[in-house]
Amino acid sequence: LAKTTQPISMDSYEGQEVNITCSHNNIATNDYITWYQQFPSQGPRFIIQGYKTKVTNEVASLFIPADRKSSTLSLPRVSLSDTAVYYCLVGALGDYKLSFGAGTTVTVRA
Amino acid sequence: NAGVMQNPRHLVRRRGQEARLRCSPMKGHSHVYWYRQLPEEGLKFMVYLQKENIIDESGMPKERFSAEFPKEGPSILRIQQVVRGDSAAYFCASSPQSGGSYNEQFFGPGTRLTVL
Repeated sequence: LAKTTQPISMDSYEGQEVNITCSHNNIATNDYITWYQQFPSQGPRFIIQGYKTKVTNEVASLFIPADRKSSTLSLPRVSLSDTAVYYCLVGALGDYKLSFGAGTTVTVRA
Repeated sequence: NAGVMQNPRHLVRRRGQEARLRCSPMKGHSHVYWYRQLPEEGLKFMVYLQKENIIDESGMPKERFSAEFPKEGPSILRIQQVVRGDSAAYFCASSPQSGGSYNEQFFGPGTRLTVL
């Protein structure tokens, strides 16, 4: 499984855009990039997944450059309820052992 | 459609006692996974089960830990003779029968085990 590196923490204010970059230099050809969100005292929740270029859903956008060695999760106009830990995961379809690192703790302030 | 259910949400045990953690997957899901999260760390895979079968238990400690997913009823993670180092949050996840994608796991709220 490809190793990922992401910032330990990020602070933001309500209404701002938050961008979290994840490095995965040894990503394999058949690997996908997936982001999960975990609120305190809850289990992780899938946010978004992509292979290349850009993916957008109602929650976030995921930007993946052509070399796929990094990816950026973008949270538009965050609110206090977006305070959570965000995990970047890399793996192939069919890999059921999800590998969570320490994640990025995003704190949104009023 | 109810999500993944785990109980109890909090469990306190004294050293040497047994802990039983239960997980009911989402309706229609036949794949169950257990993860452990130690304080200030990410989740670590423990075991993958399908109905009446253990598919992969490579993340389970060799002793004192066992898991099952019977034909009827919830999946059970059992920890015998608990020690303080077993204190952690234990999460169960499930995926649909046709699941195989890397992302398709739906997590429960977890059971927080405290060993005194």
